[in-house]
Amino acid sequence: GAVVSQHPSRVICKSGTSVKIECRSLDFQATTMFWYRQFPKQSLMLMATSNEGSKATYEQGVEKDKFLINHASLTLSTLTVTSAHPEDSSFYICSASRTPNEKLFFGSGTQLSVL
Amino acid sequence: QKEVEQNSGPLSVPEGAIASLNCTYSDRGSQSFFWYRQYSGKSPELIMSIYSNGDKEDGRFTAQLNKASQYVSLLIRDSQPSDSATYLCAVNGPQTAGNKLTFGGGTRVLVKP
Repeated sequence: GAVVSQHPSRVICKSGTSVKIECRSLDFQATTMFWYRQFPKQSLMLMATSNEGSKATYEQGVEKDKFLINHASLTLSTLTVTSAHPEDSSFYICSASRTPNEKLFFGSGTQLSVL
Repeated sequence: QKEVEQNSGPLSVPEGAIASLNCTYSDRGSQSFFWYRQYSGKSPELIMSIYSNGDKEDGRFTAQLNKASQYVSLLIRDSQPSDSATYLCAVNGPQTAGNKLTFGGGTRVLVKP
């Protein structure tokens, strides 16, 4: 089946630094990828929709200048958390599908801890 | 009102019993419905998808959809300790934009040996 690879799986950083998370579709092309955030014991909250070749669409309340999304190719989307703070500590998950109406495949997630 | 609602649990069931999970959604225009299983610290794993009213069975899992009542459920038969996880209900978002999913808060299931 389709595989979505996410890297790194875990990152610990100091407050004020930037962290980049990569999401790759390994055996299919994904024109759209989704980035979710999950705080402990809470559900997945959609942050943004990443569109290949164009600007990402952010959900209400998500700061686009803080969470930079780049979808430069059909197999790679990146999420950069800029000037990370402890409140950004969370589990970040990307997802993608072959076509808009096909089921989503999720990456393995990235646990971000900001000290 | 939340768009997708689930009882947070925990739902405790003895091994071998049936676990019954419920989910309601607010957008009548929703077309696709999914159940995901998520173990602690891991990303969600798709268990079932259902698109039309009625029941859909896959192994020990049965999904039930009632669009008139805006209700979708998941039954887990012969529950095993390995089924202990959080189960997330997901629905096509209000704008039914492709596969932009809205997730419920999840129901934690504990299967006791």
